[in-house]
Amino acid sequence: QVQLQESGPGLVKPSETLSLTCAVSGYSISSGFYWGWIRQPPGKGLEWIANIHHGGSTYSNPSLKSRVTISVDTSKNQFSLNLSSVTAADTAVYYCARHGENRLDFDYWGQGTLVTVSS
Amino acid sequence: EIVMTQSPATLSVSPGERATLSCRASQSVSGNLAWYQQTPGQAPRLLIYGASTRATGLPARFSGSGSGTEFTLTISSLQSEDFAVYYCQQYISWPLTFGGGTKVEF
Repeated sequence: QVQLQESGPGLVKPSETLSLTCAVSGYSISSGFYWGWIRQPPGKGLEWIANIHHGGSTYSNPSLKSRVTISVDTSKNQFSLNLSSVTAADTAVYYCARHGENRLDFDYWGQGTLVTVSS
Repeated sequence: EIVMTQSPATLSVSPGERATLSCRASQSVSGNLAWYQQTPGQAPRLLIYGASTRATGLPARFSGSGSGTEFTLTISSLQSEDFAVYYCQQYISWPLTFGGGTKVEF
């Protein structure tokens, strides 16, 4: 059973960098698939942030691209998100998830972690 | 960017009734559409992919249809556990985009 688990600070100050990690179990990232991040502001809908393949190819939402860095560590079977220069608008539940290489729906999700941007 | 529009925003139905949810794309996504269910405090759960293929283990009361720009998710006979928010997502092009959601309530 594939499982994903997000971790990282629950509180980040404005203008700082939000850093999250997603640990994957039950599947080796090196075996394939894309691994990504989606966020959901409180009471609102879903926004895709970025994806990465174990081979290193990445895709990011243009609305966030200049602030997003996504990376993968196959030795630890995990991937990470950095979002720089955060503001209150970046307060959200952040989910990590998996999608296929040809079929880009998200079939496995982490439980999500709330990140609040506040001084 | 392909904009996904879901309607209605809220759907009030009773257990045992049929629910019909709509999703419209601003341009054709062919059959590259997924539906998700989200209950309070939980991550979204994949229901349908390829517009009409049920995810593993999904009850047959859930069905998806459509192609191009118009899609429908139908729940034939609502059970108590089906009261949730439903999202559609297109995956024909980057950026991947979601609809704003339909809340199915009693």
